[in-house]
Amino acid sequence: GAGVSQSPSNKVTEKGKDVELRCDPISGHTALYWYRQSLGQGLEFLIYFQGNSAPDKSGLPSDRFSAERTGGSVSTLTIQRTQQEDSAVYLCASSRKIYAGGTNEKLFFGSGTQLSVL
Amino acid sequence: GNSVTQMEGPVTLSEEAFLTINCTYTATGYPSLFWYVQYPGEGLQLLLKATKADDKGSNKGFEATYRKETTSFHLEKGSVQVSDSAVYFCALSGGSNYKLTFGKGTLLTVNP
Repeated sequence: GAGVSQSPSNKVTEKGKDVELRCDPISGHTALYWYRQSLGQGLEFLIYFQGNSAPDKSGLPSDRFSAERTGGSVSTLTIQRTQQEDSAVYLCASSRKIYAGGTNEKLFFGSGTQLSVL
Repeated sequence: GNSVTQMEGPVTLSEEAFLTINCTYTATGYPSLFWYVQYPGEGLQLLLKATKADDKGSNKGFEATYRKETTSFHLEKGSVQVSDSAVYFCALSGGSNYKLTFGKGTLLTVNP
């Protein structure tokens, strides 16, 4: 596609329910990243994928959070038993190759999924 | 660990005013520094970057200079436009580190 696509754009759920957030990266981008933006906070790194594998899951806040990527393309972030503190904007980004700040590789972000847990 | 502190918003300016958004950082080694912008309803996009000390990043009339001595990367624009209204994020990446560390963002509103 033309850009990184995330769905849904908004999700309201009840505490304790599971949710799935989807990210469709730019075609051909091998690296995919998830970030979270909580109210009044900066973006925090959650996880990144190189192809279908996730070398770094260190940013996932708890074991209720998991993510997978299939076919080197679409990624799904799943939050089980949602809590109110999970309410945030979840952002996905992709790049052609692994992004390193000192290179000219560009990182492209989606518009995010606004998750509200009631 | 790495951290980024940017000035609290919101910032409200009149068209053609001068803009400064302060950003300071803490990092080990020699990070690359970035400003990202998020226009209403859109994803974050890279505005400018600098990869070493004394480098100046510039784009769309915005500038920021990598100051290692003051660990700062302040964003400036001489004359803002209504279309510059957006949220601005300062960020850093430590060398080959793929993780970006972001500030909390500064909402800028420019009135006609």
